[in-house]
Amino acid sequence: SQQGEEDPQALSIQEGENATMNCSYKTSINNLQWYRQNSGRGLVHLILIRSNEREKHSGRLRVTLDTSKKSSSLLITASRAADTASYFCATDSLTNFGNEKLTFGTGTRLTIIP
Amino acid sequence: EPEVTQTPSHQVTQMGQEVILRCVPISNHLYFYWYRQILGQKVEFLVSFYNNEISEKSEIFDDQFSVERPDGSNFTLKIRSTKLEDSAMYFCASSEGREVAGINEQFFGPGTRLTVL
Repeated sequence: SQQGEEDPQALSIQEGENATMNCSYKTSINNLQWYRQNSGRGLVHLILIRSNEREKHSGRLRVTLDTSKKSSSLLITASRAADTASYFCATDSLTNFGNEKLTFGTGTRLTIIP
Repeated sequence: EPEVTQTPSHQVTQMGQEVILRCVPISNHLYFYWYRQILGQKVEFLVSFYNNEISEKSEIFDDQFSVERPDGSNFTLKIRSTKLEDSAMYFCASSEGREVAGINEQFFGPGTRLTVL
């Protein structure tokens, strides 16, 4: 079965530094998505990268995807205190009707130190 | 900007009671989902719903669970007889669908925290 695993499990950096989180998965995917979750709150969609894409940018976010290694990375540049949250990767899996269910990883807890 | 909404934000219930969690997906979306997250654990898929029927369900989604789209806007998750281990955050999500958008970007609601005593 698919499984997303992020590393590190926890990351603390100084404000202004870049944060890199990694995700690995086990089976073939169509898309990989990254979500942010503030403590006890909902999931905010950050970015989606398709399996035929290698890199994607959105503001301070940069996502890479290496399907040969079944891994992805999320880079947040010039981190801010407001970036403190848990970050999850989620991979899709085709269901019978074509609407993909998502399989989430265990998450990286990012703490930005002011 | 359109968003998925969920009510209530927090539900406390006694073991064995029935609960209904409510969601209003984004209006032009065709696919609907429920996920749950037990405290400190990963988000888990429960069920997907399309064209008024379940398209897939996980092992977690046993006979105690049911989903319904009672009207054109609401999407509900019912737990018939709650257990202590049902305590979790329940997230509703919706997406346009691959045929419309070409990709499946799922938008999540803020969640309902269910506490079973």
